[in-house]
Amino acid sequence: DVKVTQSSRYLVKRTGEKVFLECVQDMDHENMFWYRQDPGLGLRLIYFSYDVKMKEKGDIPEGYSVSREKKERFSLILESASTNQTSMYLCASLEGQDTHYEQYFGPGTRLTVT
Amino acid sequence: GESVGLHLPTLSVQEGDNSIINCAYSNSASDYFIWYKQESGKGPQFIIDIRSNMDKRQGQRVTVLLNKTVKHLSLQIAATQPGDSAVYFCAENYDDRGSGNTGKLIFGQGTTLQVKP
Repeated sequence: DVKVTQSSRYLVKRTGEKVFLECVQDMDHENMFWYRQDPGLGLRLIYFSYDVKMKEKGDIPEGYSVSREKKERFSLILESASTNQTSMYLCASLEGQDTHYEQYFGPGTRLTVT
Repeated sequence: GESVGLHLPTLSVQEGDNSIINCAYSNSASDYFIWYKQESGKGPQFIIDIRSNMDKRQGQRVTVLLNKTVKHLSLQIAATQPGDSAVYFCAENYDDRGSGNTGKLIFGQGTTLQVKP
C-alpha cells in the first residue's frame, strides 16, 4: 500500500515563527502536492512538485514556499506564520499514469497559529 | 477561475437507503473526474474515478455518473451504511500547462453524508 506520512498531526505556533511541514511518500511517485483545507472551501492547492527541485505555484501560494530536495520528501514552509494560516494541511502524492490521476493523501497536519 | 461545486453541504439519509451526492463542474475541458471520501481525522481516500469518454462507472456499492452536456457528476451509494458517514469530495483533473499533465486536481467544497440508524 502507498503510504504518505506527515511529520505532525497537530502543531501550535506563534505569529511570526517559521514553520516546516514535512511530507514523505514511499512509492517513488514523481508528483507531490500541498493543500490546505478550510470549512466550506474544500481543498485548495498551495504548491506542487513534479520532480526533484521542480515546483510550481498552485492557487494560493502567497505566504508559503516549498522544498523538494529528494524525491520522497516534499516540505511546506511558512516563512512567517500568520493567524490566517491556521488550517488543516494535507500532502498528497500522485500515481501518475495517462489514464489515472489518483492522489494519495497523508493524514493531515492541523496547524494553529496564535 | 474554474471551480467544482457540490450542490448540498450536508446530506442525511437513513441506513439502508441509497445516497446520491451531486457535483457540478464548470471546466468543459476537464477529461477526468474522481470522488474522494474523507472520514473524520483522516486524509481523503479514493473511491472511484471516471474519464470523460464514459458516462457511467460502477464499483463496489458505488456508481459514478457523468453528464457532460450539463457538466454534472454524481456519486450513488447503494444500501448506505453507518461507515459511509464522511465528507465526500468530487474533483476534476484540469491542467492548463502546455505540455504534460501534472495530475492537478480541482476539488469541490465537499458534502457531509450523515447516516441515520
